[in-house]
Amino acid sequence: QKEVEQDPGPLSVPEGAIVSLNCTYSNSAFQYFMWYRQYSRKGPELLMYTYSSGNKEDGRFTAQVDKSSKYISLFIRDSQPSDSATYLCAMSDEDSNYQLIWGAGTKLIIKP
Amino acid sequence: DTAVSQTPKYLVTQMGNDKSIKCEQNLGHDTMYWYKQDSKKFLKIMFSYNNKELIINETVPNRFSPKSPDKAHLNLHINSLELGDSAVYFCASSHLTGSYGYTFGSGTRLTVV
Repeated sequence: QKEVEQDPGPLSVPEGAIVSLNCTYSNSAFQYFMWYRQYSRKGPELLMYTYSSGNKEDGRFTAQVDKSSKYISLFIRDSQPSDSATYLCAMSDEDSNYQLIWGAGTKLIIKP
Repeated sequence: DTAVSQTPKYLVTQMGNDKSIKCEQNLGHDTMYWYKQDSKKFLKIMFSYNNKELIINETVPNRFSPKSPDKAHLNLHINSLELGDSAVYFCASSHLTGSYGYTFGSGTRLTVV
């Protein structure tokens, strides 16, 4: 079993829909949770960062962490075709020297 | 003003050749990384390096070696290239702990023929 599980998709939704992307993990020591967005032929870019549990909102994006369930989510409201990309979750903890552990990435397609 | 820059963007070479990929960051970060991304988009850490420590992923063949002339540069040398080395290689950097996330370069697409 991988430390971080993420459905590779593709996930295809119509423009304007609310998108939910998820990752589950097995290591309860993880404290830092991140979402990266990767456009085709580009490097991953940090989209959202959360420490420990709770929610964080930035514009149309909301990141949620539920440490009791070992589950993190990224919600995208009013999705746009420009949101079409691969979304990767990543997490780390102090004990493992903050080495990022990555999900496999979910390919998201927003249809106009 | 590019934060993490890699050169070249594309590299096509024959099996058995030796090649290098260069990386530079202007963010003042103290830790730099090399990642390999395969065709299924999975990111695999190869090396992390700061002034004090080089951490090598034990699954990386010793044909791959990082070289850091200074804190802002981390180059990747690959000897005796094999077909299986074909992938996209990303350089990244972070503050020492990396707990606030990494900044990635745009990648080098390596094709070994």
